[in-house]
Amino acid sequence: QLQLQESGPGLVKPSETLSLTCTVSGDSISRTNYYWAWIRQPPGKGLEWIATIYYSGSTFYNPSLKSRVTMSVDTSKNQFSLKLSFVTAADTAIYYCARLRDGYNLFDYWGQGTLVTVSS
Amino acid sequence: SFVLTQTPSVSVAPGKTARITCGGDNIGGESVHWYQQKPGQAPVLVVYDVSDRPSGIPERFSGSNSGNTATLTINRVEAGDEADYYCQMWDSFTDRPVFGGGTKLTVL
Repeated sequence: QLQLQESGPGLVKPSETLSLTCTVSGDSISRTNYYWAWIRQPPGKGLEWIATIYYSGSTFYNPSLKSRVTMSVDTSKNQFSLKLSFVTAADTAIYYCARLRDGYNLFDYWGQGTLVTVSS
Repeated sequence: SFVLTQTPSVSVAPGKTARITCGGDNIGGESVHWYQQKPGQAPVLVVYDVSDRPSGIPERFSGSNSGNTATLTINRVEAGDEADYYCQMWDSFTDRPVFGGGTKLTVL
């Protein structure tokens, strides 16, 4: 059974960089036809796609966040990561990692999510 | 970019049918997916490609799509179906996923 687990600081200061890692277990992150994504959800609000990466390193970013987002993958550790720079209170959210199934373009597995609060 | 519009809330009595809609320009020709999110939990895929169900999802969940509206139908609603529901599709023009704003289903 595929599992995804987010990890990283739960509190980040304004103007600093948010860094999260998603560890994938139960399958290889290098499996073809699957991408890996970050999605966030501000408290009480809806879902917002942040970015997607393929095991080869190809990345796709939400234009509204592109200037501040960097996504990377480490196939040797079966992990992928997110960095979001110059954070503000508006970046406070639950951050989910998820698997994107190519062709169907749907998110079939999600991590449990991790709350990141931006505050001094 | 493509916009998906959902009614913020829907209420239904147990045993009745809930219909949750997702509106978008000519969405009828698109592949739409639906996620259920219970409080404090991650979203779970309940319907994909308009009307297919992943393994383990009850047959009570079904979907349809026509014109400018996609619909998630939940038959014989149970208390455990109370959750937020999100529609999602792929915007092929911008090559990225798009989510609806979500609908809170309340079981009376």
